[in-house]
Amino acid sequence: AQSVTQPDIHITVSEGASLELRCNYSYGATPYLFWYVQSPGQGLQLLLKYFSGDTLVQGIKGFEAEFKRSQSSFNLRKPSVHWSDAAEYFCAVGAADNFNKFYFGSGTKLNVKP
Amino acid sequence: DAGVIQSPRHEVTEMGQEVTLRCKPISGHDYLFWYRQTMMRGLELLIYFNNNVPIDDSGMPEDRFSAKMPNASFSTLKIQPSEPRDSAVYFCASRPRTTDTQYFGPGTRLTVL
Repeated sequence: AQSVTQPDIHITVSEGASLELRCNYSYGATPYLFWYVQSPGQGLQLLLKYFSGDTLVQGIKGFEAEFKRSQSSFNLRKPSVHWSDAAEYFCAVGAADNFNKFYFGSGTKLNVKP
Repeated sequence: DAGVIQSPRHEVTEMGQEVTLRCKPISGHDYLFWYRQTMMRGLELLIYFNNNVPIDDSGMPEDRFSAKMPNASFSTLKIQPSEPRDSAVYFCASRPRTTDTQYFGPGTRLTVL
């Protein structure tokens, strides 16, 4: 069965510190992986996605993610966090041949300390 | 472009009442999606449409839920009768056929008392 696990419900980091948000997935076929961000009162915005090719993908707002097939992981990273990055982050997996059905993780809420 | 528009942004109703949530997708987008977000179950796909036709409604929780898309610029999600366990944030999203990226609206926060 398809599933996405985000083991960290809440994370707090200091502004300027590095960030890594974890995502593990279970998917029977070639996965299509996404990270979305949800700011308070807003809808989800796509940060980055991975389908194939280079396993390190760059996204918007200085974020990157690395696909590790052997670990079934797709962790999100940022070298230096800004206060405006405080939001909730969702990892999602879908089928490479179906762009319409994604399975989302439960989200990780990021707090940024000044 | 104004993005995906949802109304109302907040809805408070009493158990047993009918609730209608509305969505206007981005112009030119062929696909429209309805999602529900709860603390317990996270973000779940309820139904999606392609060119106004429902394609997959397997995520609709029960017969109390129905969705329509009478034209390319409008969709509704209706709950009748509503129950307290329907309390959630409901998102609408759309995408063009040329890309895999879904664009989400701001959501409707529904509270059923």
